Amino acid sequence: DIQMTQSPSSLSSSVGDRVTVTCRASQRIGIYLNWYQQSPGKAPKLLIYSASNLQSGVPSRFSGSGSGTDFTLTISSLQPEDFATYYCQQSYSTPFTFGQGTRLDNK
Amino acid sequence: QPQVQESGPGLVKPSETLSLTCSVSGVSFTSGNYYWDWIRQSPGKGLEWIGSVHYSGTTYYNPSLESRVIISIDTSKNQFSLKLSSVAAADTAVYYCARATIPAAGGPVMYSWFAPWGQGTLVTVSS
Repeated sequence: DIQMTQSPSSLSSSVGDRVTVTCRASQRIGIYLNWYQQSPGKAPKLLIYSASNLQSGVPSRFSGSGSGTDFTLTISSLQPEDFATYYCQQSYSTPFTFGQGTRLDNK
Repeated sequence: QPQVQESGPGLVKPSETLSLTCSVSGVSFTSGNYYWDWIRQSPGKGLEWIGSVHYSGTTYYNPSLESRVIISIDTSKNQFSLKLSSVAAADTAVYYCARATIPAAGGPVMYSWFAPWGQGTLVTVSS
């Protein structure tokens, strides 16, 4: 199985901050990396697919980059509704695997 | 807007079979662009992909669960289902169904992404 490792595991930031979350795959996965946001008690929500494609309806302050083994999710200016947990997921090969999550909370 | 919704018992006894159904609306269930997936989330193991089914009947399973899992599809009802046999406490989790979109119609489930997700249903394994 491909292991996905996110860093940091948790992050404290303030509204208006620029935030970056990193995801590393244990082997090369091309661009087949997706990002999800999960608020407490809710299902994950797709933000970015295939490394850099913004899902319809997702604010443009979210962006993704990377290929191969290293990927980044960036929030350009944090909004109150962005405090949540973020997960990366590889779809390069089955079994699909997720990172352990990055919890973003309000400083 | 496409929607998916899980249903099924919230409590299952150890060694029995967990059965869940996902109802799909607002989207062509038989489009070749989609697979239909089950994913679970537990505090101990995080998010775990269980498997996928295509309307054609093609399935993919997580090898860690494959010996106990069956995912099936009923196109007449716009539903797909999960059966997990011989459950134990470690199978206690929130179970989600989700649509997986693939970049090439009719292709394999690889390179896909999950959206939308159902709200999730907590299944507890306990006697």
